[in-house]
Amino acid sequence: GDSVTQMEGPVTLSEEAFLTINCTYTATGYPSLFWYVQYPGEGLQLLLKATKADDKGSNKGFEATYRKETTSFHLEKGSVQVSDSAVYFCALKSGNQFYFGTGTSLTVIP
Amino acid sequence: SQTIHQWPATLVQPVGSPLSLECTVEGTSNPNLYWYRQAAGRGLQLLFYSVGIGQISSEVPQNLSASRPQDRQFILSSKKLLLSDSGFYLCAWSVGGSPQETQYFGPGTRLLVL
Repeated sequence: GDSVTQMEGPVTLSEEAFLTINCTYTATGYPSLFWYVQYPGEGLQLLLKATKADDKGSNKGFEATYRKETTSFHLEKGSVQVSDSAVYFCALKSGNQFYFGTGTSLTVIP
Repeated sequence: SQTIHQWPATLVQPVGSPLSLECTVEGTSNPNLYWYRQAAGRGLQLLFYSVGIGQISSEVPQNLSASRPQDRQFILSSKKLLLSDSGFYLCAWSVGGSPQETQYFGPGTRLLVL
């Protein structure tokens, strides 16, 4: 069945370090792909999305490219800040269903 | 613009008591509505979804139920809470019918069953 696999956390980085959170997917057809962010005690916020192969989603310095050949949608940011500390979820929409990864916790230390 | 509300924000309930969590969406019509549960440090578990008034699909058999009495209102209920019902409950909405369909989440309700 359709699913999303994202890298296990937690991830701890120093401020201004480069961030990559890996996400791969299994899906039939042509899914849409998403990254959500969840700050402590809050709901999930849409961070970025891509709806077709080779699309790049970007927001707040984060970006991810929909790679159909490698079935991946890795999240990257060139220079993380303490305020980026949160849990990040990769998700896909296939048909009428949404599937979420298990989340990756990121802590950025000054 | 669209907004989604959940209440209460926090709830502490004894085992065996009833539960009612409410979710409402503003600024859109005929949304798809979803209830998720997130246990501490865990991912999302889809509990229920609804594509219209009175239409509820259950993903996980348990002592919870959901109802959609109005187009933009989604209610999660239980007659008798269990300890294992503790968690963070998230409501979400989407507008279906296109590849652009995206889920948007509410602020969540933290439930502690003692």
